[in-house]
Amino acid sequence: ETGVTQTPRHLVMGMTNKKSLKCEQHLGHNAMYWYKQSAKKPLELMFVYNFKEQTENNSVPSRFSPECPNSSHLFLHLHTLQPEDSALYLCATSPPTNTGELFFGEGSRLTVL
Amino acid sequence: GESVGLHLPTLSVQEGDNSIINCAYSNSASDYFIWYKQESGKGPQFIIDIRSNMDKRQGQRVTVLLNKTVKHLSLQIAATQPGDSAVYFCADSNSGYALNFGKGTSLLVTP
Repeated sequence: ETGVTQTPRHLVMGMTNKKSLKCEQHLGHNAMYWYKQSAKKPLELMFVYNFKEQTENNSVPSRFSPECPNSSHLFLHLHTLQPEDSALYLCATSPPTNTGELFFGEGSRLTVL
Repeated sequence: GESVGLHLPTLSVQEGDNSIINCAYSNSASDYFIWYKQESGKGPQFIIDIRSNMDKRQGQRVTVLLNKTVKHLSLQIAATQPGDSAVYFCADSNSGYALNFGKGTSLLVTP
């Protein structure tokens, strides 16, 4: 149990589908992140939310749309994705002390057909 | 842009031996460094971190060494165990924001 829960753990979708990934944290942290992990590539930062406000969008295509309705929940809405978007999407949180340490969820494995 | 990279993509060690995983970083302004372990099917987990005002930090069976002169970071695992088999990532940041990750080294512990 990491304190950061991601659902679904696995998702298969077509290029015309609309789906969402969910992240829920029970750590009381103020910052939440979406990372993309592709095979043989470094983790790529996608979005950062700090106290529910988006503070970074790392040049992510608009087919990925984040939402942070409250400090415990983070969503990644997906629509008209491409096969190259298939990856493990990781949610992470960090505490107000801003030590730099990230606390990761188990990830959502996305396959786009 | 700035990058963090690992010298070796894979490392195979025998159980009981010590493991050393190396990492190079390029951002001289980085002041925080961290190692993560990622087991198959799981998210990355914190192992140990170090700030730029230190050159060595020890944890339980793990030691991180930082050489700012050559911008090099290493993770040493003592008496490596089968449970240590995983992918290890180094990451750096400036002022504790937006960790920049390396590609990862796969550690395989053989009996």
